[in-house]
Amino acid sequence: NAGVMQNPRHLVRRRGQEARLRCSPMKGHSHVYWYRQLPEEGLKFMVYLQKENIIDESGMPKERFSAEFPKEGPSILRIQQVVRGDSAAYFCASSPPSGDSYNEQFFGPGTRLTVL
Amino acid sequence: DQQVKQNSPSLSVQEGRISILNCDYTNSMFDYFLWYKKYPAEGPTFLISISSIKDKNEDGRFTVFLNKSAKHLSLHIVPSQPGDSAVYFCAASVIYQKVTFGTGTKLQVIP
Repeated sequence: NAGVMQNPRHLVRRRGQEARLRCSPMKGHSHVYWYRQLPEEGLKFMVYLQKENIIDESGMPKERFSAEFPKEGPSILRIQQVVRGDSAAYFCASSPPSGDSYNEQFFGPGTRLTVL
Repeated sequence: DQQVKQNSPSLSVQEGRISILNCDYTNSMFDYFLWYKKYPAEGPTFLISISSIKDKNEDGRFTVFLNKSAKHLSLHIVPSQPGDSAVYFCAASVIYQKVTFGTGTKLQVIP
């Protein structure tokens, strides 16, 4: 299956710990997006990255959250000093290089973060 | 500020009938619109899209209609099937920029 991979699928952290969420885009895709879905809400854009570059981080909370997409390896969404309000499903999506299908993002299965 | 709105959180339709899911947007700069389908515990799956230069796009049982003057789009599913039961997200973007999602409509197709 060459789809978008996310791991772990479920992550439990205690308040104050760090959470690291990983995303491997589809083969050939160079654009990665992270979204957060809070209970009973839609998907909220967080950040858009290309290899080694953050293109748009307008949806990222100003503190504790960071994202990277290194030249090699998966994209990482990092949440430091987690709080209960960070509990949500975090989805990663990828899309191919600019072209007709640019806006058609392919989503991974998500990581469900629970903060105790 | 919710730029993409799906005012119906849920919809129930009889199998074989038409399902109509609605979506309104406020940002007149949006020029590309998408519908995604999501099953529980899975990521959203792209369903169908439409660019602002069109007013209709059809793909099998799925048709998306765009009314730019009303800033409204709709997804028609006909005939509806039980496997269509899922949450449907409307989404919009300015080309080459981030995608903004609505809050979703949960569709239940009753056999």
